[in-house]
Amino acid sequence: AQSVSQHNHHVILSEAASLELGCNYSYGGTVNLFWYVQYPGQHLQLLLKYFSGDPLVKGIKGFEAEFIKSKFSFNLRKPSVQWSDTAEYFCAVHPKDNFNKFYFGSGTKLNVKP
Amino acid sequence: DVKVTQSSRYLVKRTGEKVFLECVQDMDHENMFWYRQDPGLGLRLIYFSYDVKMKEKGDIPEGYSVSREKKERFSLILESASTNQTSMYLCASRDDLFATGELFFGEGSRLTVL
Repeated sequence: AQSVSQHNHHVILSEAASLELGCNYSYGGTVNLFWYVQYPGQHLQLLLKYFSGDPLVKGIKGFEAEFIKSKFSFNLRKPSVQWSDTAEYFCAVHPKDNFNKFYFGSGTKLNVKP
Repeated sequence: DVKVTQSSRYLVKRTGEKVFLECVQDMDHENMFWYRQDPGLGLRLIYFSYDVKMKEKGDIPEGYSVSREKKERFSLILESASTNQTSMYLCASRDDLFATGELFFGEGSRLTVL
């Protein structure tokens, strides 16, 4: 069965620290990849997505992610976090041969100390 | 902007009650989804619908049913609520035109079953 692993369940950083959140998936076929963010009390919203081309994708609010096909990974990065980045982050994998199936990781809670 | 609206943000129900969760989207999306979000488990798909009156089971359909009588509206029904259905329920929609399209989420309905 397909699975998505987010290694860090809870991350605490100080402002200006660099962030990297891991995401690995198990699926042999081609996939679209997503990172979603859920700010406290708000709905899930898209941070960035990868579907083809340059494996380094840039999203909103200075986030970026790199798809490494050989490692089945799609890690999220930000060079310098802000207090407003405090949120829960979800990685999602969408197999291209299964139009409506999205597999989500268990989420990573990021707490940024001011 | 796509808007996905869930009618109830917070509900408290008693065991055995019938529960309706309503979701409306305003972007004429063909596909609509119901997920359940639990801490440490990420998002799990309950049901999805790819057209009016069409539905498919997701990963955890037991104890739930759905209804889609109009394109913009997708309802989740708990025929007889149980305490293990206490959770956050998320509705989402997705465009049919683009294979790379992402899910758009509502704000969630937090259900407590006593």
